[in-house]
Amino acid sequence: AQSVTQLGSHVSVSEGALVLLRCNYSSSVPPYLFWYVQYPNQGLQLLLKYTTGATLVKGINGFEAEFKKSETSFHLTKPSAHMSDAAEYFCAVRNTGNQFYFGTGTSLTVIP
Amino acid sequence: GAGVSQSPSNKVTEKGKDVELRCDPISGHTALYWYRQSLGQGLEFLIYFQGNSAPDKSGLPSDRFSAERTGGSVSTLTIQRTQQEDSAVYLCASSLNTGQNTEAFFGQGTRLTVV
Repeated sequence: AQSVTQLGSHVSVSEGALVLLRCNYSSSVPPYLFWYVQYPNQGLQLLLKYTTGATLVKGINGFEAEFKKSETSFHLTKPSAHMSDAAEYFCAVRNTGNQFYFGTGTSLTVIP
Repeated sequence: GAGVSQSPSNKVTEKGKDVELRCDPISGHTALYWYRQSLGQGLEFLIYFQGNSAPDKSGLPSDRFSAERTGGSVSTLTIQRTQQEDSAVYLCASSLNTGQNTEAFFGQGTRLTVV
């Protein structure tokens, strides 16, 4: 069975500081992992995805994530937070049945 | 259209009434998903359609909820005899189903309020 766990439902960072949002997955097969962002009153938008190949994945808006099999993690990072990064972030895994399993989300607040 | 379209964007209904929520997926996407997002909660899977296969209904919370997908395209989620706990944002997503590496594209959602 596949699932994802997002540690920390709320994260606050100062503008310009490092953003680190944590995601751990559980999968019996090689996982396909995704990060989505949701701005207020909007749907989810893909930030980045890991399928195969390079374990460091770069996405939009300066975000990146590293797939670490040994740690079953896929944490999302951004070197310098911007006010516009304030949003809800969801980690997801897609299983062999093409079903998506989402984490409970992490709300990111950026403090000016 | 260019993206997943959901209508209406907002719906206020009285307790006990039936509601229909519509989703137009991206053209050519064979997979379609419905999720529910309650205030402060994550995404709760409701139902998944894949081509002409029988849908995966395992996430529907009660028999008041049903969904159909006509012609492999437009989908309608119906909630009968609405209850206040049904108030949430209902999100639709579609995906190419050519492999697990393809992402889901989401609509803007329908915000349902049951009063």
